[in-house]
Amino acid sequence: KQEVTQIPAALSVPEGENLVLNCSFTDSAIYNLQWFRQDPGKGLTSLLLIQSSQREQTSGRLNASLDKSSGRSTLYIAASQPGDSATYLCAVTDYGQNFVFGPGTRLSVLP
Amino acid sequence: GAGVSQSPRYKVAKRGQDVALRCDPISGHVSLFWYQQALGQGPEFLTYFQNEAQLDKSGLPSDRFFAERPEGSVSTLKIQRTQQEDSAVYLCASSFRDLGGYTFGSGTRLTVV
Repeated sequence: KQEVTQIPAALSVPEGENLVLNCSFTDSAIYNLQWFRQDPGKGLTSLLLIQSSQREQTSGRLNASLDKSSGRSTLYIAASQPGDSATYLCAVTDYGQNFVFGPGTRLSVLP
Repeated sequence: GAGVSQSPRYKVAKRGQDVALRCDPISGHVSLFWYQQALGQGPEFLTYFQNEAQLDKSGLPSDRFFAERPEGSVSTLKIQRTQQEDSAVYLCASSFRDLGGYTFGSGTRLTVV
């Protein structure tokens, strides 16, 4: 059974810092990996989708990498802003369609 | 609609009461998922539809949980005889095609008292 973990569970940084969120998964037979953002009381917003054949994806200040063989992904956030404060969820999809989510990293960016 | 709509946004139910949670996916989206998210946890898979067919219900925690999508659009998640451990946010997601980009709704927060 696929299991996804995320480190750290919570992170507090001053504005402007670069930071890295980590995601690990136990079964490397994935179709893709996705990073989501969740704001309190809101649904999930997709940030980056990496197909299993890809190594990384970039969108603005966000960069996500994937090392399928080692079961790891990282989300890099450059020049963090208070508006980046949210919970970041990593999820993998196998060929059975459904997402398996990690527990999330709660990020606070202090002004 | 422009996004996935879920109703109600909040539901308080007395233990033992039956509840029905609604999901309106984006028009034309074929795939639809339900997830359960406990406080402080990531979402956990409940069930998956492709059009009106329920292809996977392996995540439903008990036979008190039932989901349907009779016309391949709107879906309803029903929980019978609610218990306190059912308290969670229930998220719905839809996609135009299998393994495509999914859009999530804002969820229904269920509190069983």
